Amino acid sequence: DVKVTQSSRYLVKRTGEKVFLECVQDMDHENMFWYRQDPGLGLRLIYFSYDVKMKEKGDIPEGYSVSREKKERFSLILESASTNQTSMYLCASSPRGEGQPQHFGDGTRLSIL
Amino acid sequence: GQSLEQPSEVTAVEGAIVQINCTYQTSGFYGLSWYQQHDGGAPTFLSYNALDGLEETGRFSSFLSRSDSYGYLLLQELQMKDSASYFCAVRPGGFKTIFGAGTRLFVKA
Repeated sequence: DVKVTQSSRYLVKRTGEKVFLECVQDMDHENMFWYRQDPGLGLRLIYFSYDVKMKEKGDIPEGYSVSREKKERFSLILESASTNQTSMYLCASSPRGEGQPQHFGDGTRLSIL
Repeated sequence: GQSLEQPSEVTAVEGAIVQINCTYQTSGFYGLSWYQQHDGGAPTFLSYNALDGLEETGRFSSFLSRSDSYGYLLLQELQMKDSASYFCAVRPGGFKTIFGAGTRLFVKA
């Protein structure tokens, strides 16, 4: 079974802090994604990566950056956390190819105080 | 802009059949996927349609009409454990996927 592991289930940080969310997958998938999930808005794509050191902006990249130094690891960075970044963050991975499903981690519920 | 529309809530009784619709407006289209998410859990993949028609997987079926920019998920013989949120998702091109806001399904005894 594919395993996507997010480093924290719950995280509380303060406004202005630099926050790192880590995601590791164990199936050698080329593609990795970061989403945030808010009630009534579904999943919104922040960034994705289709290869090591490659990244593309999603629909809501402002205030975020990402790093993919190794194939299995995709990090989301909140450069200076703000209260409007309080949300559920979901990481996903998928193989390259048409119709390939995305496999999601359990999510990190991040609260910015 | 790009958008996917699906009902926010659907309620049905155990043993019944329910259909969750999804209409999309996107710059391109490579396929329509469906995901299920239980409260507190991760979304899990259910189905993928790239071509028009019906795909069946056990109690779940998914339909696509590309000419109508429309698809649906059909759940048969509903069970209490089917109570969850269901998301449609479209790949407009490249590696990006756009998700709908989700439909919360309540199954009553």
